[in-house]
Amino acid sequence: DAGVTQSPTHLIKTRGQHVTLRCSPISGHKSVSWYQQVLGQGPQFIFQYYEKEERGRGNFPDRFSARQFPNYSSELNVNALLLGDSALYLCASSLTSGSYEQFFGPGTRLTVL
Amino acid sequence: AQSVSQHNHHVILSEAASLELGCNYSYGGTVNLFWYVQYPGQHLQLLLKYFSGDPLVKGIKGFEAEFIKSKFSFNLRKPSVQWSDTAEYFCAFLGNTGFQKLVFGTGTRLLVSP
Repeated sequence: DAGVTQSPTHLIKTRGQHVTLRCSPISGHKSVSWYQQVLGQGPQFIFQYYEKEERGRGNFPDRFSARQFPNYSSELNVNALLLGDSALYLCASSLTSGSYEQFFGPGTRLTVL
Repeated sequence: AQSVSQHNHHVILSEAASLELGCNYSYGGTVNLFWYVQYPGQHLQLLLKYFSGDPLVKGIKGFEAEFIKSKFSFNLRKPSVQWSDTAEYFCAFLGNTGFQKLVFGTGTRLLVSP
């Protein structure tokens, strides 16, 4: 069975641009969460989506947004990119909103120049 | 404030040495605790988890962790490390926020020399 998949694997953007990152959860999983991992730090929670609705949001500016589609895949959008947005963006899926265990994808490495 | 403190940022051990990685969390409610591992070039994988019951939990590859509620700690241990244990280890908790917000520590890089 395929695990969590993310695309693209790497991305280079310049300041002020917009980026869209994509995530496909494990088959049967309905909840998707997004995390940002800056070099040398642990992952930081950005969003959780369940059944196409936002269930939780971390301490990130409104430039960050996300959505979940009927097939439970998800997109993370970041507008007006800043140098500080350079990070590994991780997607995690779980069976339901109340599931404790999250399964992580390989991440998308975003570099902002 | 919700946070996780991992005391060792870098640990270097020889094969067969014993390992203990410290983890303390700060949270006022009930927590579920996790250790995740990230091997070089691979994604985050769950090593072990504590939800309730026996505070000594066993995970994959011979790892175990002990939850000490009075100390807000969840230290990771392995009696004898192998070269293949070289990885970055993250302690995390899930609070009772109603949504799946994992709070991670900054990680510990473990290098095991053969």
